[in-house]
Amino acid sequence: DAKTTQPTSMDCAEGRAANLPCNHSTISGNEYVYWYRQIHSQGPQYIIHGLKNNETNEMASLIITEDRKSSTLILPHATLRDTAVYYCIVSRWTTSGTYKYIFGTGTRLKVLA
Amino acid sequence: DVKVTQSSRYLVKRTGEKVFLECVQDMDHENMFWYRQDPGLGLRLIYFSYDVKMKEKGDIPEGYSVSREKKERFSLILESASTNQTSMYLCASSIRRTSGRVTDTQYFGPGTRLTVL
Repeated sequence: DAKTTQPTSMDCAEGRAANLPCNHSTISGNEYVYWYRQIHSQGPQYIIHGLKNNETNEMASLIITEDRKSSTLILPHATLRDTAVYYCIVSRWTTSGTYKYIFGTGTRLKVLA
Repeated sequence: DVKVTQSSRYLVKRTGEKVFLECVQDMDHENMFWYRQDPGLGLRLIYFSYDVKMKEKGDIPEGYSVSREKKERFSLILESASTNQTSMYLCASSIRRTSGRVTDTQYFGPGTRLTVL
């Protein structure tokens, strides 16, 4: 199965950009990269996803390398409320025609005041 | 807004009991998923369903079964609960990706923290 690798933890100063890297070197051509975050004791919350091109929404930006083997989630101006575990996920095709998520172990981001 | 609800936030059961965890989504999604989350192991897929009465094993199906009799509801069943099934259980749903719909974003419920004594 495709697998993602992320650093275990990172710190970021409040107001600065948080750059969270992810390695997914075994990703296949039609597999999307998704990012979610999980605040303690809640369900994961969707942030952004992409296939080949860089993507931006109101929460974050996603930069995917040209070979698609890695990506970076950017939170442009981190706040204390962005403290959470961030998961990088590859969405993989199954024989039933469904896409299932392959989760990494996540990066614990701590935003410091 | 998509809403995925789970029947309980916290549940305490005894070893050997039959346990039902219920999940309901209100967005007419074809796909529904059950995960468990344990410290250091992340989220692991137990089972998923891609249509009513259709199911497929995930990565760790042993000790679990599922039921999907209606499109909006997906149940996870522990036939005989054991202490190693103490965990956080998360349900999610998504639309089916087709050529006309290229996203399969999963929406998660709040989770059920199950303790088996």
